[in-house]
Amino acid sequence: AQSVSQHNHHVILSEAASLELGCNYSYGGTVNLFWYVQYPGQHLQLLLKYFSGDPLVKGIKGFEAEFIKSKFSFNLRKPSVQWSDTAEYFCAVNKDDYKLSFGAGTTVTVRA
Amino acid sequence: KAGVTQTPRYLIKTRGQQVTLSCSPISGHRSVSWYQQTPGQGLQFLFEYFSETQRNKGNFPGRFSGRQFSNSRSEMNVSTLELGDSALYLCASTGTGFSGANVLTFGAGSRLTVL
Repeated sequence: AQSVSQHNHHVILSEAASLELGCNYSYGGTVNLFWYVQYPGQHLQLLLKYFSGDPLVKGIKGFEAEFIKSKFSFNLRKPSVQWSDTAEYFCAVNKDDYKLSFGAGTTVTVRA
Repeated sequence: KAGVTQTPRYLIKTRGQQVTLSCSPISGHRSVSWYQQTPGQGLQFLFEYFSETQRNKGNFPGRFSGRQFSNSRSEMNVSTLELGDSALYLCASTGTGFSGANVLTFGAGSRLTVL
């Protein structure tokens, strides 16, 4: 079955540490890729998206992601996290079928 | 510009009852999608509507239904509620679908508890 896999369920790190969250998908062909974030008590917000072009995309709050087609991956990175980055992060894939397929999510806890 | 508005925000029902949730998309958005979020299953797609037509449906039983009105507002209904239907139900809207300029904007959700 086609799926979206996020490698880590829970990541704990200190402020100023670097963050990388893995995301792999199993869909063939052209896909649209997204990272969403859900801060505590808030609704899902779009961090960044990839539709075409430069495989390195930049999003809000200093986040970036790299699309590697050969690896079916779309990993999220941030060079230096802040306490306010504590949230749940979701990778999602759209395969031109009017829906998003989400990964299970990664909870990121940043310790001050 | 107002966001996606979902009502009610919280509700408690008992098994066997039915529930109707409402969603008002961002003004001008014509596509409305619904997702179920639970700790065990994560975010799962329920259905998507555009111009009152369902374009895609997720893998949920027939107890889950939806509709869209001519003003793009949408409702979803769950009949014969089960304990496992307890979840956060999220509505999202976009212009027409998915493209570089159109992405899903989510509402705050309706949290349903089934007792």
